[in-house]
This record gives sequence, structure tokens and C-alpha cells, in this order.
Amino acid sequence: GENVEQHPSTLSVQEGDSAVIKCTYSDSASNYFPWYKQELGKRPQLIIDIRSNVGEKKDQRIAVTLNKTAKHFSLHITETQPEDSAVYFCAAKGGAQKLVFGQGTRLTINP
Amino acid sequence: EAQVTQNPRYLITVTGKKLTVTCSQNMNHEYMSWYRQDPGLGLRQIYYSMNVEVTDKGDVPEGYKVSRKEKRNFPLILESPSPNQTSLYFCASTRVRDSQAFFGQGTRLTVV
Repeated sequence: GENVEQHPSTLSVQEGDSAVIKCTYSDSASNYFPWYKQELGKRPQLIIDIRSNVGEKKDQRIAVTLNKTAKHFSLHITETQPEDSAVYFCAAKGGAQKLVFGQGTRLTINP
Repeated sequence: EAQVTQNPRYLITVTGKKLTVTCSQNMNHEYMSWYRQDPGLGLRQIYYSMNVEVTDKGDVPEGYKVSRKEKRNFPLILESPSPNQTSLYFCASTRVRDSQAFFGQGTRLTVV
């Protein structure tokens, strides 16, 4: 089955700098890759997603890139702000609608 | 408002006492699933349901049961809870046409 590895587990950046979180997946048949943001005590919320027929997608300060050959995808956050502090999860859609999640990255934005 | 609703939000129980966590969605989604979240392990799928009366095991099903008698409801049942089931649980409902999953508020379960 699908396996997703996420790095780093913790990331601390200065406000205004960029943050990058990377994920690798194992199943070459996976075709959907969402990213979720989870604030403290809250539910995971979808922030951006990408499908296998696209290499990059942007939404304001966040972007996701996908390299199908290498089986990895990354989340890029530019001009980071304090409200970006949260735990971020990547996921890959394996069989049917099943999402397999990475282990999570705790992002801290330092003022 | 489109939403996934779980109850209760917090639950402390004793080993062996049966409990049910309810999950309901109002988006008419076919696919629903349960996850548990543990530090350093991300979200792991417990059970899923493709539609009414169709359920199957996820990656960590031991000690759990589910049922899907109606499209909107997908309860999680712990027949005999044990301390290793202490965790944060999320129900999710998925829009099949674009695979987007929506999560409930979460249930923090403590088994003593």
C-alpha cells in the first residue's frame, strides 16, 4: 500500500522568510496530493491540493510542487506570518478515496 | 452550512466500558472514514465506508467497529476500550468527484 514520509518534523523560521516542507510517496498510481493545516486544538483543514497531471499550483503565498518521476511533492509558504504557525500534513490518495498522511510538520514562525 | 459533526468532543472512560463516537455529515457524501491522530504518527485510517452498508478496514482497525446504516451517519464503536486507544479521533467525509476530505471537530478520548 501507499506510504508517505514527511520532513522535517519541526521547522522554525523568521517572520517574512519562506518555509518548505517535503513529502515522498511510494505508490506511483497515487494521483491526488492535498496539504492540510491543523491549528492547535482544531481540525485539519485543506489549504491546497495538486493532481498528478499538474507540476505546480499556487494560491497567494502558498504553492505546491509535484515531481512524479521522483515521487515527491513539496509545500512552499512565502512571506511567512505568525498565523502560519501550525502543524501541516501532506497526504497522498492511494486506492479508492483513501488518503495516507505524512507524520506532520510543526511550523513555528518567530516574530 | 456544510459540515461534519462529531460527538462528544471530549470523553474520559474506563477500560472495558463500551462507547460510541457519533459522526454526521450534511453534504450527501458517499465516502466517510475514521482516523486516529497520535504524536509523530500523523493521521492513520481506522475504518472507511464507500456507501451505505459498505464498510472496510483501514490501517489500524483492531479494537474498533463501525456501521453505516444511513448515508449521513458513520459511528465509531469501541466495544471494550483499552488505554492504548487513548487518542484524538477524527471523522472525515469525502467529496468523491474531486477527492476533497472534510474533517469533523475531533474527539479526544482518554481510557483509564
